[in-house]
Amino acid sequence: SQTIHQWPATLVQPVGSPLSLECTVEGTSNPNLYWYRQAAGRGLQLLFYSVGIGQISSEVPQNLSASRPQDRQFILSSKKLLLSDSGFYLCASQETSGTDTQYFGPGTRLTVL
Amino acid sequence: AQKVTQAQTEISVVEKEDVTLDCVYETRDTTYYLFWYKQPPSGELVFLIRRNSFDEQNEISGRYSWNFQKSTSSFNFTITASQVVDSAVYFCALSEAAGNKLTFGGGTRVLVKP
Repeated sequence: SQTIHQWPATLVQPVGSPLSLECTVEGTSNPNLYWYRQAAGRGLQLLFYSVGIGQISSEVPQNLSASRPQDRQFILSSKKLLLSDSGFYLCASQETSGTDTQYFGPGTRLTVL
Repeated sequence: AQKVTQAQTEISVVEKEDVTLDCVYETRDTTYYLFWYKQPPSGELVFLIRRNSFDEQNEISGRYSWNFQKSTSSFNFTITASQVVDSAVYFCALSEAAGNKLTFGGGTRVLVKP
C-alpha cells in the first residue's frame, strides 16, 4: 500500500516570502498526484493535479504553482505569499491501476502573517 | 458540473447514540464513484469507503454503515453506538469516472460527548 509524506508539518511565513511544500509517495509507481487546500473551517479545494512527471493541471488561478520533478515527488510553490494563502495543504495520491481512491498525506499547516 | 452537499454542518451527540450524516450529490455522468473520508483533529483525511454508481448495495463495516440510494442521489453514513473517538469532520466526495478528480462536500463536524 502507498504511503504519502508531506514536509514540513507546520510553517509560519511572512507575507511576501516564498513557499515550497513537498509531497513524496512510497509504495506505488506513476501515481496521479493532487494538491488540495483547506481554509480554516472550510471544505477542500483542489489546487493542482498531475498525471505524470512535468504534467501539471491547475484548477484555480492564483499565485501558487506546482511541479513534479520526479515520479513520486510533488511540490507546491509560491514566489510571494499572501495572507489568503494560509490554510491546511493536503497532498493526495491515486494509483492509476485499479482503485480510484485518493489517499491523503498528513498535511502541512501554513500560517501567513 | 458535479456537486456534493452536506447540509448538516455540525452534529452533537452523547456517546452510544447513533448518528446519521447526510450526503446529496449531483452529476450528469452515469458512471461515478462516491467516497466518505474522516478528518480527525490531527487533520489527515482517512479513507472510509468507496462505492461505484452501479453498486447500490448498502454496506456495513463494524459500527459504520452506508446507505446508497441512486433514486434520491444520496449516500448517507451512519455511525452506530457512537464513541468519543468518532469525533471528527466527515467529508462526502464524488468523482466522475473519466477525470478522477474529487469534488468534496463542505463536511459535517461530529462531536461525541462522553
